[in-house]
Amino acid sequence: GIQVEQSPPDLILQEGANSTLRCNFSDSVNNLQWFHQNPWGQLINLFYIPSGTKQNGRLSATTVATERYSLLYISSSQTTDSGVYFCAVDSNDMRFGAGTRLTVKP
Amino acid sequence: DGGITQSPKYLFRKEGQNVTLSCEQNLNHDAMYWYRQDPGQGLRLIYYSQIVNDFQKGDIAEGYSVSREKKESFPLTVTSAQKNPTAFYLCASSIGRRYEQYFGPGTRLTVT
Repeated sequence: GIQVEQSPPDLILQEGANSTLRCNFSDSVNNLQWFHQNPWGQLINLFYIPSGTKQNGRLSATTVATERYSLLYISSSQTTDSGVYFCAVDSNDMRFGAGTRLTVKP
Repeated sequence: DGGITQSPKYLFRKEGQNVTLSCEQNLNHDAMYWYRQDPGQGLRLIYYSQIVNDFQKGDIAEGYSVSREKKESFPLTVTSAQKNPTAFYLCASSIGRRYEQYFGPGTRLTVT
C-alpha cells in the first residue's frame, strides 16, 4: 500500500518563528489533507489540497502531486500552534503519516 | 449546530466484554469512517461506509464490527476478539468516499 512519511518528527520553535513541515507519499493520490491534533485529541481540518497552493491566515500549504509531496508552512508561530500535525492521503483508502509534533515556546 | 458527536469521551471495560462506541453526524454526509490511534502514531482505518446498509473493512478490521442502519449513525463494536483494544477511537464523515473528511472528538477506550 501507499507509504506516507512526515518530517521532521519533532520540531521545537520559539514564538514568532516560521516553519515548514513536509509530507512525502509513495504513489499517486486522489486527495490529501492536513490536520492539526490538539492536546485533547481533536483533529482540526487545516487544508484539503490534492494539488496546488492554498492559504489560510498564517498557514499555507502546497502539494506537488507529480513529485509526490506536500508542504505545510506556518508563519509567525504562536503557542496555540503546538500539537501534532498530520498529513493524510487517499489512494485506495485514507493513509495517515506518523505526524510532526510541534512545540512552540513563549 | 452541525457536527459529529462521539460518546462517551472515556470508556472503561473489563477484558472479555464487548463494547459499543457511538458516532452520530448531522451533516447529511453519506460516508462515515472509524479510525484507531495508538500513542505517538497516526490513525489507522478500521471500517468505512459509503451508504446506508453497506460497509467495508479497512486495514485493521479484525476484532471489530459495525452497522449502518441510519445515515446519521455508524456505531463501532469492539469485540472480545480484539487482542489489544485499548486505544483512542475517532469517527469521521464526508460528503462522499473521496471527499474531505471531518472528525468527531474521539473516545478513549481502556480495557483492563
